Amino acid sequence: DAKTTQPPSMDCAEGRAANLPCNHSTISGNEYVYWYRQIHSQGPQYIIHGLKNNETNEMASLIITEDRKSSTLILPHATLRDTAVYYCIVTYTGANSKLTFGKGITLSVRP
Amino acid sequence: DAMVIQNPRYQVTQFGKPVTLSCSQTLNHNVMYWYQQKSSQAPKLLFHYYDKDFNNEADTPDNFQSRRPNTSFCFLDIRSPGLGDAAMYLCATSPIGSRGPSDRQFFGPGTRLTVL
Repeated sequence: DAKTTQPPSMDCAEGRAANLPCNHSTISGNEYVYWYRQIHSQGPQYIIHGLKNNETNEMASLIITEDRKSSTLILPHATLRDTAVYYCIVTYTGANSKLTFGKGITLSVRP
Repeated sequence: DAMVIQNPRYQVTQFGKPVTLSCSQTLNHNVMYWYQQKSSQAPKLLFHYYDKDFNNEADTPDNFQSRRPNTSFCFLDIRSPGLGDAAMYLCATSPIGSRGPSDRQFFGPGTRLTVL
């Protein structure tokens, strides 16, 4: 699986958009970009995933660059409950699907 | 609600005393995973079952074994726990192959293992 690079931490103000970047320059053509988050002392939680098109769901938006070498997770209106470690993971789907967690980015939402 | 359940949430064992952690799911997913997460580290995949097929990660110690008696249940056995095995153990499930490309994983709350 391709490796990902994320800054170690960032913060944002409550109610503002949080834009979390991820680099995955070695991504293969059939690898997906997944985002999970882990709130303290809980199991990871799926947020969103995409292949090449931008995706949006009730939690977040995922913007993937045209060359697919980087992506941005957008939390449109961050709340204090969004404080967590966010993991960007690149992986195949199907029987070979595995999540290899990197260090992630710690998002701190301040009041 | 359909979910992934891990029992117990907290487990204390003695050095060298075998311990079993359990995971159950009501999602009817065909794949189940076990991860180890040590303090301040990211989760690390130990092994997974694709239906009844067991898939061990290359660097998973022999001390760790798993059983999946049926679709709903999966167990993690640590034969001789050492101090270094103290960690959060996370179980996850996924509907790979049965619902198309959305192979997201659903995680349980984890079992925190303390080794004395």
